[in-house]
Amino acid sequence: AQKVTQAQTEISVVEKEDVTLDCVYETRDTTYYLFWYKQPPSGELVFLIRRNSFDEQNEISGRYSWNFQKSTSSFNFTITASQVVDSAVYFCALTSLQIQGAQKLVFGQGTRLTINP
Amino acid sequence: EAQVTQNPRYLITVTGKKLTVTCSQNMNHEYMSWYRQDPGLGLRQIYYSMNVEVTDKGDVPEGYKVSRKEKRNFPLILESPSPNQTSLYFCASSLSSGGAYEQYFGPGTRLTVT
Repeated sequence: AQKVTQAQTEISVVEKEDVTLDCVYETRDTTYYLFWYKQPPSGELVFLIRRNSFDEQNEISGRYSWNFQKSTSSFNFTITASQVVDSAVYFCALTSLQIQGAQKLVFGQGTRLTINP
Repeated sequence: EAQVTQNPRYLITVTGKKLTVTCSQNMNHEYMSWYRQDPGLGLRQIYYSMNVEVTDKGDVPEGYKVSRKEKRNFPLILESPSPNQTSLYFCASSLSSGGAYEQYFGPGTRLTVT
């Protein structure tokens, strides 16, 4: 079974703090893909990153970084020096070749992040 | 601008009154999909389409219909809406069904059925 767990339902931090959002996934497939999406208060879903199972390199994009560890089946997301505009619900998602040819996304429950000024 | 559009963005309707939520993408994507988002249940797939005239059920297809007559459009039809279909609906598209490409989501349609 494919499953994504985001154990942190809500996180609240003060601006400029670093914050890490956890994502743990389950899959038996050797080829799979992981994603992070952001849902700001306006409601749309914004794509942040895609990672395939063969690439364990960490990724950094500005204040955002992602840590992919196959050994612990985790794909964690860190925001450095958080800003109020980072306030949103963040979703981790998984797909694999066994799921509609790697198109259907299996989402975690999401983590609501609130950055307080 | 590359985008997925949905209409309407907000809709309040009554039980049993047929409605259609349109979805259109201008990226020539093969794959399109509908999800609904509900508190505590996350995002769940309703229907998907691998290409024109190819559609299939997702996890929660009951009460919904879809069609894919053109590559760019993938409307969601509620023939007889019920209050349990009150939800936030998202249409998504991606380049191909042959590999994992990022899915682009529309802005969402907030539907209330009274």
